Amino acid sequence: QKEVEQDPGPLSVPEGAIVSLNCTYSNSAFQYFMWYRQYSRKGPELLMYTYSSGNKEDGRFTAQVDKSSKYISLFIRDSQPSDSATYLCATELYGNKLVFGAGTILRVKS
Amino acid sequence: EAQVTQNPRYLITVTGKKLTVTCSQNMNHEYMSWYRQDPGLGLRQIYYSMNVEVTDKGDVPEGYKVSRKEKRNFPLILESPSPNQTSLYFCASGSEVGQFFGPGTRLTVL
Repeated sequence: QKEVEQDPGPLSVPEGAIVSLNCTYSNSAFQYFMWYRQYSRKGPELLMYTYSSGNKEDGRFTAQVDKSSKYISLFIRDSQPSDSATYLCATELYGNKLVFGAGTILRVKS
Repeated sequence: EAQVTQNPRYLITVTGKKLTVTCSQNMNHEYMSWYRQDPGLGLRQIYYSMNVEVTDKGDVPEGYKVSRKEKRNFPLILESPSPNQTSLYFCASGSEVGQFFGPGTRLTVL
């Protein structure tokens, strides 16, 4: 079993839709949770960073962590074609060691 | 501008010919890391470094070497590349709020 599981998609939505991206993880010791966005032929860029359970909002993006069910979510409101990318969830074990999900490909159609 | 740079960006080589991929960061981060990204497998950590002269193996270290003689540089060395090392490589440097990735190096070993 992978430590972080993520549906690879692709997920196709119309412009303006609310997008829900999800990951599950197996190790209850994970404390830090991140979402990265990766455009084609680019390196991943950090979108959201949360510690422990709860919600964190940044503009159109909301990250949610439910430690009781080991579930990580990223919601994108009013999705735009420019949001089309691969979204990677990640958790941190210790000392900056990241464990990544495989990534979900998102396509927002105009 | 805060950034992580990698060189070369693209490289085609032959089996057994030693190569080095350079990585440099200008954010004064102590932590640096190398990942490879393969379809369906996501990002996997090769080696990481917590500080100068301190390096450790990640999840897939076989066939790779690293060194950390200066804080800003963290080169990845393939002493005898093989075709299964054909991949997209990312260098990253980190702080307590997440890791910042370079633009990637696409390596093909024939």
